[in-house]
Parts: sequence; structure tokens; C-alpha cells
Amino acid sequence: DAGVIQSPRHEVTEMGQEVTLRCKPISGHDYLFWYRQTMMRGLELLIYFNNNVPIDDSGMPEDRFSAKMPNASFSTLKIQPSEPRDSAVYFCASSRGLAGGTDTQYFGPGTRLTVL
Amino acid sequence: DQQVKQNSPSLSVQEGRISILNCDYTNSMFDYFLWYKKYPAEGPTFLISISSIKDKNEDGRFTVFLNKSAKHLSLHIVPSQPGDSAVYFCAASGGGSEKLVFGKGTKLTVNP
Repeated sequence: DAGVIQSPRHEVTEMGQEVTLRCKPISGHDYLFWYRQTMMRGLELLIYFNNNVPIDDSGMPEDRFSAKMPNASFSTLKIQPSEPRDSAVYFCASSRGLAGGTDTQYFGPGTRLTVL
Repeated sequence: DQQVKQNSPSLSVQEGRISILNCDYTNSMFDYFLWYKKYPAEGPTFLISISSIKDKNEDGRFTVFLNKSAKHLSLHIVPSQPGDSAVYFCAASGGGSEKLVFGKGTKLTVNP
């Protein structure tokens, strides 16, 4: 299995532009998670899906952020409009089941976003 | 309000010695704890976990200890190797939530 795939790996954009990050989870995994890593806040959960349905988006910082999962093999995280404070590494992860069981989360390599 | 705290941003040890990484948590509902390891330019990878019904879990050179009364867990690496140099994240879940709550990470450097 190729693991969790994220694209692009790096994104540099200017303030006000729309940014779309993409993720392909591991086949057969029912859960998909979007995380953001910053120096100040560490690794924080933004939103997660179960069977393509958003379950908890309480970590999404504001309305500029949106996430979709149109099918079991694809998800997007969109920022519109982007701001310099959105600069971070964004990770996608997937798992078979609950974090509390033996189903660990597998992370993608991340997308490093820089907003100028 | 950080529910999972890793108070040491960095740790440096000599090859062959023991590395001890610490983690504290505040939410008494957490019942499952994990450690992830992250190399530069890669995503975190699962390392070891422990359920709250145990106080120790061992996997090769890695051992996690859980002290529920102190709400504290630690990761021991013995012996440490240069390839262990990475950022280590502590994470917790529980109380019916499927979410993992991560600490900010500790950067471990193992010197040859």
C-alpha cells in the first residue's frame, strides 16, 4: 500500500488566494483526519470524517477553512481567502477505526503551506 | 487549554544511554495513550501505545510507563541510537471521543 498520499507537498501563495490541499487515504480506512502543525500550537486536529461524513469540525479555526470528502478515496481542505497566519504544515491521516483501539492513525507526509 | 503537555521541547542524550521523554495530561477521561515519532519532512508514525488498564507496555527498546494517579506517562528508549533522533509526540484519547489530542512534541537528539 502506498500509504496516505497528500498533494501538493509544498505550497507558496499570496495572502487572499484560495488554497486547496488534497488527500488520498489508505484504502479500507473509514476515518480521515486533517491536522495542522505549528510551532505555537503543536499538532492540532482540524476536522475528521467517518465514512465520508464530517463528524467533528470543532477544530476548524474559522469560516475561511472548509473540508470535504466526496468519496472514500479523496478529501480536500480548502482555505479561502488565505492569510499569513495560516502558514503551517497540514497533515492528513487515516485509520480503520477508533483511536482508542488497535486502529492507529497513519499520517501522510504533510503539505507545507506558506502564505506571503 | 492544553490537555496533553510535553514540557521539554528538546532532549539530548549520548548513544547507548537511556532516553526518557515525559508527558502529562489533565483530562481524567483519557484511557488510551500513544507515542508517535516524526522525522523531518515526514508525517508522524505510530511508535507504541498503552491502555489505562496497564501501567507498562514494552516493545523492544521502547517502553511506555503510565502513572494514572499522577496523570503522567513516559517513554523510555534503551539503548538510544542516533536513528532515534526525531520529534516525539505524546497523544491521548478517551471519554467516548475518537479524537487524538497531541502534545507539542519533544525533539530528541542522540549523539554518536
